[in-house]
Amino acid sequence: DQQVKQNSPSLSVQEGRISILNCDYTNSMFDYFLWYKKYPAEGPTFLISISSIKDKNEDGRFTVFLNKSAKHLSLHIVPSQPGDSAVYFCAAALEGSQGNLIFGKGTKLSVKP
Amino acid sequence: ETGVTQTPRHLVMGMTNKKSLKCEQHLGHNAMYWYKQSAKKPLELMFVYNFKEQTENNSVPSRFSPECPNSSHLFLHLHTLQPEDSALYLCASSLIGGLSNSPLHFGNGTRLTVT
Repeated sequence: DQQVKQNSPSLSVQEGRISILNCDYTNSMFDYFLWYKKYPAEGPTFLISISSIKDKNEDGRFTVFLNKSAKHLSLHIVPSQPGDSAVYFCAAALEGSQGNLIFGKGTKLSVKP
Repeated sequence: ETGVTQTPRHLVMGMTNKKSLKCEQHLGHNAMYWYKQSAKKPLELMFVYNFKEQTENNSVPSRFSPECPNSSHLFLHLHTLQPEDSALYLCASSLIGGLSNSPLHFGNGTRLTVT
């Protein structure tokens, strides 16, 4: 059974609007969450992260929100740009887990001009 | 340029072949990883090396054999693979393994096809 779920395989958004990518998890012991972005024919690149002791982390156009009671996190991109079109992976980690990030299956974001 | 270089980018091999995947990182990191991404499945951790010592083997079959001669280089030796082993194999590195806030830096992967 998947511990990290991204229930939307794809999302289409108009340029300039907000993109909201969602992620749910089942293990309440996860203490760190990360978002990675992947373009075709490239490896995932780290985008933004959040510790379980916080509920929000912002970096430029990207903000991650964490709702521990709901075991839910989301990535907000505003304003969305065509270059943001990629697959976005949510990942969760346990402290000391030796890099064993548990990844979701990803959401493909398409930002239309 | 990600700082993590994987070769080859594509590999086709028969089930009786022996081949190796290579990964090199130029980031001064001390931990290196092999991940596997199969079609329609999440990324799965295979092996972790921390300061050249293997610290994690995620129940990977013995037909996959990792080697880490130093903190900058990582190999994955392949022999007698099965068609279901066809996947994208991703190498990653991080400053220190075991710290959840030490993000992974991935290479561009090797697309492996086993015929």
